[in-house]
Amino acid sequence: DGGITQSPKYLFRKEGQNVTLSCEQNLNHDAMYWYRQDPGQGLRLIYYSQIVNDFQKGDIAEGYSVSREKKESFPLTVTSAQKNPTAFYLCASSMGQGATNEQFFGPGTRLTVL
Amino acid sequence: AQSVAQPEDQVNVAEGNPLTVKCTYSVSGNPYLFWYVQYPNRGLQFLLKYITGDNLVKGSYGFEAEFNKSQTSFHLKKPSALVSDSALYFCAVRVLAGYSTLTFGKGTMLLVSP
Repeated sequence: DGGITQSPKYLFRKEGQNVTLSCEQNLNHDAMYWYRQDPGQGLRLIYYSQIVNDFQKGDIAEGYSVSREKKESFPLTVTSAQKNPTAFYLCASSMGQGATNEQFFGPGTRLTVL
Repeated sequence: AQSVAQPEDQVNVAEGNPLTVKCTYSVSGNPYLFWYVQYPNRGLQFLLKYITGDNLVKGSYGFEAEFNKSQTSFHLKKPSALVSDSALYFCAVRVLAGYSTLTFGKGTMLLVSP
């Protein structure tokens, strides 16, 4: 899983609670990404950031928020507005904006809403 | 818009036999194509990519993929499958125009039997 760490590995949330998933990378990558993975649906992009203090919505940003205050860190908050948050969340990073750059993935966080 | 199709949810092959995992894509412009592998409850690992040049791309763990522009395909292949190759495989596509994000297929589960 390279130089990307995600914590916690498992997370349980009660309905109505906000939770924050951590993602840290030591690869000196400029770009970072958050994906959601559901069985049979592949990966869907939530948010991405090309540079510090800047981020863009992906395909399914509703109910999520992010920040990018440091190059190494890109935390994801799952808010109570996300109606179906139970999923496997993957963070990734890449060397830059180039379309040819592959993404490196963290080990993932499995979020379960009780 | 860009899209990726992996027409098989699951591929079964006996150990020692050749394997193929299919991928077709749809983009406007020249595609950049990627294959990733995911083991249970883990993040994705990069296998190989096609950017330009030789249509046959060699990657990690003995995998290769063939880019076919006329058929808009990028099938993943391996001459001799191992039981340890059993995993979920994702094809992904991206284009150069602007800043496009990576679009993933829904994944194909490869099961290699002893």
